[in-house]
Amino acid sequence: AAGVIQSPRHLIKEKRETATLKCYPIPRHDTVYWYQQGPGQDPQFLISFYEKMQSDKGSIPDRFSAQQFSDYHSELNMSSLELGDSALYFCASSLNGWKATEAFFGQGTRLTVV
Amino acid sequence: SQQGEEDPQALSIQEGENATMNCSYKTSINNLQWYRQNSGRGLVHLILIRSNEREKHSGRLRVTLDTSKKSSSLLITASRAADTASYFCATDAWGTYKYIFGTGTRLKVLA
Repeated sequence: AAGVIQSPRHLIKEKRETATLKCYPIPRHDTVYWYQQGPGQDPQFLISFYEKMQSDKGSIPDRFSAQQFSDYHSELNMSSLELGDSALYFCASSLNGWKATEAFFGQGTRLTVV
Repeated sequence: SQQGEEDPQALSIQEGENATMNCSYKTSINNLQWYRQNSGRGLVHLILIRSNEREKHSGRLRVTLDTSKKSSSLLITASRAADTASYFCATDAWGTYKYIFGTGTRLKVLA
């Protein structure tokens, strides 16, 4: 079965640079979620999209932005990177918006800011 | 954590024993999901239980939900070394489009 695909799997950036993370949800899933997980921490919700519209927002820095495109893939754009942005970034997808079914996660993108 | 706590934070058992992890949350929920995560890897979906369900089984997994106490438990029976991982619960509230994770339980199964 198709899973959530994230790219790239690993990314190394310097401080103040910009990074773009991509997420391809499971086909026919209408909701995408982004999470950040620091070392030894639980995943923190950043932002979600339902049917290409922003639906919920969590602790996402103003330096970050995201969107969902017409083909339902999503991108997380991160600017003015800081050392503290180093983390695992996960994307998840589910079906049916707020009546969500199981949310399946991608393998994550490991971002290292040096 | 944004939503709740899991206990214990760490659990070490022998292979073949049962492992029980608990999750508490703060707000009324639509459903609760359990995930497994091996160190630094992806989150693997284990099971979903809806707010109108009290118990659910999947293979060696048994999940209970007590909405009056705002808590859930995950039981892994006949544990194996391969079950060594961190286990998280995640909840979503009605009308929201986000899952909030608990702090996780680190399970170590000794062979």
